[in-house]
Amino acid sequence: GESVGLHLPTLSVQEGDNSIINCAYSNSASDYFIWYKQESGKGPQFIIDIRSNMDKRQGQRVTVLLNKTVKHLSLQIAATQPGDSAVYFCAENSLYSGAGSYQLTFGKGTKLSVIP
Amino acid sequence: KAGVTQTPRYLIKTRGQQVTLSCSPISGHRSVSWYQQTPGQGLQFLFEYFSETQRNKGNFPGRFSGRQFSNSRSEMNVSTLELGDSALYLCASSTELAVYNEQFFGPGTRLTVL
Repeated sequence: GESVGLHLPTLSVQEGDNSIINCAYSNSASDYFIWYKQESGKGPQFIIDIRSNMDKRQGQRVTVLLNKTVKHLSLQIAATQPGDSAVYFCAENSLYSGAGSYQLTFGKGTKLSVIP
Repeated sequence: KAGVTQTPRYLIKTRGQQVTLSCSPISGHRSVSWYQQTPGQGLQFLFEYFSETQRNKGNFPGRFSGRQFSNSRSEMNVSTLELGDSALYLCASSTELAVYNEQFFGPGTRLTVL
């Protein structure tokens, strides 16, 4: 079936720099996208979401960009801090005919390591 | 407001056994979704319950089932356990259906099948 993937499995950035985590999706019918952060030993935590009728959405220190033409999603973290170290997942919500229902499909994740 | 709680946090079972996992959503949340997380497959959607009814279902065999009670608490059952069922099982709750709503995840139940 179609799936959400990530361009980079690991990313190391210097504290204070900006981070960009990328995600490619393949289902053109997807109309809702979410970024989650998962710290070791914890469940995923919602960061930001975006609907397909938008190209950009900003939160506190985070920005999500959606490029529907090339089916690409990115998460930008400004002034990256040690507390941002975690695995980041993108997810898309779409209708899967095989299952007959909407479901969230998650990417494999990108591990972000912040160097103090 | 208390977060999503899952019990137990850790479980060890043997092949062929069955297991029941429990999830208590955030107060006021009516939707509970279940996910399986493994290093190889990542996070995979199992099913979603809303107002005691299964609303969405992922591509898992019938050995995986669930239910939701009138207080929105949910249980997930896996019968005839296989080694490949070893995983972190996460539940998430949301106020409405998870299709377009923020989900809040619990810490997960780590299941090991020997």
